This record gives sequence, C-alpha cells and structure tokens, in this order.
Amino acid sequence: GAGVSQSPSNKVTEKGKDVELRCDPISGHTALYWYRQSLGQGLEFLIYFQGNSAPDKSGLPSDRFSAERTGGSVSTLTIQRTQQEDSAVYLCASSLEGQLYEQYFGPGTRLTVT
Amino acid sequence: AQSVTQLDSHVSVSEGTPVLLRCNYSSSYSPSLFWYVQHPNKGLQLLLKYTSAATLVKGINGFEAEFKKSETSFHLTKPSAHMSDAAEYFCVVRYTGFQKLVFGTGTRLLVSP
Repeated sequence: GAGVSQSPSNKVTEKGKDVELRCDPISGHTALYWYRQSLGQGLEFLIYFQGNSAPDKSGLPSDRFSAERTGGSVSTLTIQRTQQEDSAVYLCASSLEGQLYEQYFGPGTRLTVT
Repeated sequence: AQSVTQLDSHVSVSEGTPVLLRCNYSSSYSPSLFWYVQHPNKGLQLLLKYTSAATLVKGINGFEAEFKKSETSFHLTKPSAHMSDAAEYFCVVRYTGFQKLVFGTGTRLLVSP
C-alpha cells in the first residue's frame, strides 16, 4: 500500500520568502507528526496532530512556523520569512492511534534557504 | 530532562564481524525505547522496540537490543554485519505520560568488505 508521501522532495528558496511543505499520511492513520533533521543532528520534534484533538505545537521553534491538518488527513507545514538556519530536511510521519512508537516516515523535504 | 545519548557518531566494521551501537537514556521516567534505521535516500524505519516486556528485544534483519535499567542503556547489536546494514541508526525514547518521541543524534554504521 501507499506510504507517507511528502512534496516537494527538494525546495530552494530565498531568505525572507514563505514556503509550504505538504504531507500525505497513510490512509487510516489518525496521528501525524512533523520533525526537522538538520545536518549532524537528530530529529527535532516540531508538531503532533492526533485526530480532532488540539495539536501539540510545543516543538515549533518560532512563531514563523505553523502547521495545519485539513480533514484529518493532509497536513501543511508553513515557514514564513525563511532564514538560513531553517535549512534542513523536514520529515513527516504518521501512525495509528495509540501506536506512536511505530511511526511511518515519509522521504522528507530538503529545504535550502539561500 | 528527557534525553537519549548515542555515544558514537560513526561506527566502522568489516562485513561478517559483530556490530555494537551504543545508546544511553536519562532515567527520570520509565521509558519505552526504540531503534530506527535510515538507509540512504529512504525513510526512517522502525527496527525494534522495548515497551516493558522482555528486556532482550529482537528486531528485523537480525538486530537485537537489550534494555539494562541499571546501566540506563539500550545498545543495539548484531552478530554478523552485512553490507546492506550500512545506514544511520537512531535510538529513540518515549517517557511514560508523554506523547513525543525523543531521538538521539544518530550513529552512522559503515560496513567494509
């Protein structure tokens, strides 16, 4: 079956521009997560959606970052006024409710801010 | 504070020799522990998990890990490395009552012929 998909796979943008990253989770997975993986770093948790509950936004690094999940499925991560330190691979994962340890990861979006 | 430490950023082994990837976690709370693997240009994949059942956990591709509470460790091992094992390995912890996973910084496993 289809896994988690993310688009675009690569994004190059100029400093100060806004970007939108998209994630399509596995059908039926009610939990969705966004992570950031910087060079030489582990995965940094950004935000977590679970069903209709309020999202856990505690990992968002600044108010320039926001995310939404429409209809309990597709999610969009938006970064406003991008900075060079935002350059990283942004990973999306999804899981069944109650099985957050078994997350299925997408291939990621590599964001480069010039 | 919740944290997980992977002691080696890189580990190099020869094909057919044992693999040991080290991981230690902070002991503030009762943890669930996992290892994820990331092959080049592929997504992260769950390798194995410990959730308070047997302390020796077997995963895919011949890997296993042992939870040692006295040492706050969850090292990943494999008796004989294969070329296809070359990848980045992440030790991950989830503490009871918390919904988030905390990832280590990763260990890159290099396997030479």
